[in-house]
Amino acid sequence: GENVEQHPSTLSVQEGDSAVIKCTYSDSASNYFPWYKQELGKRPQLIIDIRSNVGEKKDQRIAVTLNKTAKHFSLHITETQPEDSAVYFCAASSPMDTGRRALTFGSGTRLQVQP
Amino acid sequence: DGGITQSPKYLFRKEGQNVTLSCEQNLNHDAMYWYRQDPGQGLRLIYYSQIVNDFQKGDIAEGYSVSREKKESFPLTVTSAQKNPTAFYLCASSRGVDTQYFGPGTRLTVL
Repeated sequence: GENVEQHPSTLSVQEGDSAVIKCTYSDSASNYFPWYKQELGKRPQLIIDIRSNVGEKKDQRIAVTLNKTAKHFSLHITETQPEDSAVYFCAASSPMDTGRRALTFGSGTRLQVQP
Repeated sequence: DGGITQSPKYLFRKEGQNVTLSCEQNLNHDAMYWYRQDPGQGLRLIYYSQIVNDFQKGDIAEGYSVSREKKESFPLTVTSAQKNPTAFYLCASSRGVDTQYFGPGTRLTVL
């Protein structure tokens, strides 16, 4: 089945710097890659997603890039702010006709933005 | 997100007791999921259901059971066979194997 690895597990940056979180996946059939942000004690919230037919997607300070050949995708946050501090999860899913019809999540990255 | 509710928010269980966690959605989503999250850890899939009256085991189904009698509801029972149930339980729903929207979670503690 699908396996998603996420790095780093913790990341500390200064306010205004950029942050990059990377994920690799194992199933070449995976075609949907969302990123979730989870604040302490709260539910995960979708912040951006990308499908396998595009290589990059941007939404204000957040961007995601996908390299299908290398089977990895990355989250980029520019001009970080203290409110970006949270745990970020990547995930991958395969098409509906495969056995596992659910997202596989990475282990999470705790991002701390220092004021 | 606002279309998925979980209850209760906090739940305490005595050893040997079964408890049921509620999850309801009004988003007309076909698929629903249950995840377990331990402190400082990621999300582990317990069970999922792509359609009414059908569900599949996830990665850590032992000690848990589910039912999907209605499209809107996907309750999770934590049985006495689950030896270490203290965790944060998250329910989610989606239209297919696609964007999942999470409920607010239930924090279960074993006394």
